[in-house]
Amino acid sequence: AQSVTQLDSQVPVFEEAPVELRCNYSSSVSVYLFWYVQYPNQGLQLLLKYLSGSTLVKGINGFEAEFNKSQTSFHLRKPSVHISDTAEYFCAVSGLMDSNYQLIWGAGTKLIIKP
Amino acid sequence: EAQVTQNPRYLITVTGKKLTVTCSQNMNHEYMSWYRQDPGLGLRQIYYSMNVEVTDKGDVPEGYKVSRKEKRNFPLILESPSPNQTSLYFCASSFTRAPSLHFGNGTRLTVT
Repeated sequence: AQSVTQLDSQVPVFEEAPVELRCNYSSSVSVYLFWYVQYPNQGLQLLLKYLSGSTLVKGINGFEAEFNKSQTSFHLRKPSVHISDTAEYFCAVSGLMDSNYQLIWGAGTKLIIKP
Repeated sequence: EAQVTQNPRYLITVTGKKLTVTCSQNMNHEYMSWYRQDPGLGLRQIYYSMNVEVTDKGDVPEGYKVSRKEKRNFPLILESPSPNQTSLYFCASSFTRAPSLHFGNGTRLTVT
């Protein structure tokens, strides 16, 4: 069975500072990995995904994530955050061999930008 | 514009009064799914559908029904809502070979 752990429920950071949101997963099979973002009062939208190839994945809005197979992690980073990045961020995994393409979700991390 | 449309956005009802939340997508996606979002619990899947007339239970299906008579529509039915179904509900869709979900804007349901 797969599981996803987002280690921080909230991350406060000053505007223009760098940020890292942590995601660890457990799985006995190879996985696809995703980060979704939920802005206030909106649905979730895909930020970036790792399916195969380069372990450094670039997404929208200047975010990137690195897949580390040995540490089973997929941490999300941005070098300089803006007030508009205030949102909740969700990490998710899906097993490569899962014919139903089911996503297992982390509990989410709220990114709080301090002016 | 490619989108997943849910209606209504907000719904307040009373215990036991049947309700339906509609979901429609215009991207010809095979896969559709319903989630509920509760504070501290992330997203939990209620039901999903791999294609027309093919539906299956997710992690928390009790108290919910779905149908998939057409590819674009995937309504969520609460036959007898209870207060523990008060939540934020999301519909999502994707192509089955690329599990990148497109989400609706959500339906906030309150059952009193």
